[in-house]
Amino acid sequence: GAGVSQSPRYKVAKRGQDVALRCDPISGHVSLFWYQQALGQGPEFLTYFQNEAQLDKSGLPSDRFFAERPEGSVSTLKIQRTQQEDSAVYLCASSLTGLAKNIQYFGAGTRLSVL
Amino acid sequence: AQTVTQSQPEMSVQEAETVTLSCTYDTSESNYYLFWYKQPPSRQMILVIRQEAYKQQNATENRFSVNFQKAAKSFSLKISDSQLGDTAMYFCAFMKADNDMRFGAGTRLTVKP
Repeated sequence: GAGVSQSPRYKVAKRGQDVALRCDPISGHVSLFWYQQALGQGPEFLTYFQNEAQLDKSGLPSDRFFAERPEGSVSTLKIQRTQQEDSAVYLCASSLTGLAKNIQYFGAGTRLSVL
Repeated sequence: AQTVTQSQPEMSVQEAETVTLSCTYDTSESNYYLFWYKQPPSRQMILVIRQEAYKQQNATENRFSVNFQKAAKSFSLKISDSQLGDTAMYFCAFMKADNDMRFGAGTRLTVKP
C-alpha cells in the first residue's frame, strides 16, 4: 500500500479482555516498530522487528504484551487481560532497511480504551 | 539511557511569522540521529526534518530548519512563514544506531490567523 495501515482505528475493551492490533507496513519495508503513546505524552518504544525476527522487545511493559510478524510483513500486537493502564494510542512504523539512517514512516495508530 | 526534553508544552504564533521550538537531549553516544515529527489531530506522525549527528551543517527543509548544537546537546526547530496547517503537536526524537528511538513529551503549536 501507499502508507502504513493500522486497524482497527479505535478499540474499546472491557478490563480483562484480550485484544489484537494489526499493522500493515509499507510494502517491501524490512523493519517494523511498535510504540505506545499515552495521552499527552510522546510515543514510547515497545518492540522492533527486522523481517520476521523480533530483535528488541525491551519496551514491552509486561508479559501480557506480545507481538509477532510471522511472515515478515503484517504484524500483530496482542495484549492479554487488558487493564485500564493499557489505554493509549498504539503506533506502528516501518522503515526500508534495518539501518538507523532510514526514515520511520508511521501509521495513524489504534486508540485503545479499556473500561 | 537517552532522554529528550521539550521544555515548551505549548506555543503559539501568528500566521506568516517565525517560531522556534526547543529540544535538548542527553546521551553519551557520538553517532546518532535527531528528528522532528509533526502529529496533527489525525494522529499520524509525519517527519518534518532529520539531522545526522556527525554532520556539522544544520538541516533545512523548505520553511523548516534546525539549529543543532552538538556540544550543548540542543536541537531546536525553526518554522518560518508559519501557516495554519502547521498547527499540530511537534515531537523531538533521538535515535541511536540500534534503532532505539526516544521521543520528547511534545510541544503543542497553534498558528493563529
